Amino acid sequence: GQQLNQSPQSMFIQEGEDVSMNCTSSSIFNTWLWYKQDPGEGPVLLIALYKAGELTSNGRLTAQFGITRKDSFLNISASIPSDVGIYFCAGPIVAGGTSYGKLTFGQGTILTVHP
Amino acid sequence: DGGITQSPKYLFRKEGQNVTLSCEQNLNHDAMYWYRQDPGQGLRLIYYSQIVNDFQKGDIAEGYSVSREKKESFPLTVTSAQKNPTAFYLCASRSPGQGEGQPQHFGDGTRLSIL
Repeated sequence: GQQLNQSPQSMFIQEGEDVSMNCTSSSIFNTWLWYKQDPGEGPVLLIALYKAGELTSNGRLTAQFGITRKDSFLNISASIPSDVGIYFCAGPIVAGGTSYGKLTFGQGTILTVHP
Repeated sequence: DGGITQSPKYLFRKEGQNVTLSCEQNLNHDAMYWYRQDPGQGLRLIYYSQIVNDFQKGDIAEGYSVSREKKESFPLTVTSAQKNPTAFYLCASRSPGQGEGQPQHFGDGTRLSIL
């Protein structure tokens, strides 16, 4: 089945540093989604990518849809303490020509920011 | 404000007991989803529903049941057959009319624990 491998599993950084994480798959994806989950809350959508090679920013966050359509990257610049949380990549599970909106998720990257 | 409301926030279950988790949305979304989240893992799909009075099993449906009698409501019952129910449960919804890449929106979750 379609699985997403997300790395790194965890990151410990100092406030002000830049962060990079990625997500890879053995299957082609037509959409890449990046979510952030704060402790004890539900995931919130950060960025959605719909086209190979697309580079999209949301404030200090920038995400890219890989040219091969099998990977995606998320960068956070000048990290701040409120960036702490779990970051997930996700993409539609396609079978028989439709996903029925179902998503497959990476394992998540746990980000810790030291002041 | 439009959104997804999950209740209760915390729930405790005794051995052999069924419990029901509530999920209500006022986003007018047709599709709704239930996920289970365990520490260090991504989200795993339990059940999903594309339309009222219809639902399908996800990857880990055993020990769970759902109903979809109203568009805005998609309750999840954790039955006594689920031997390891302790987890964080997330409900999501989506508007399928906007294509396969339309993201899901999540509630803030219910944490279920065994007494």
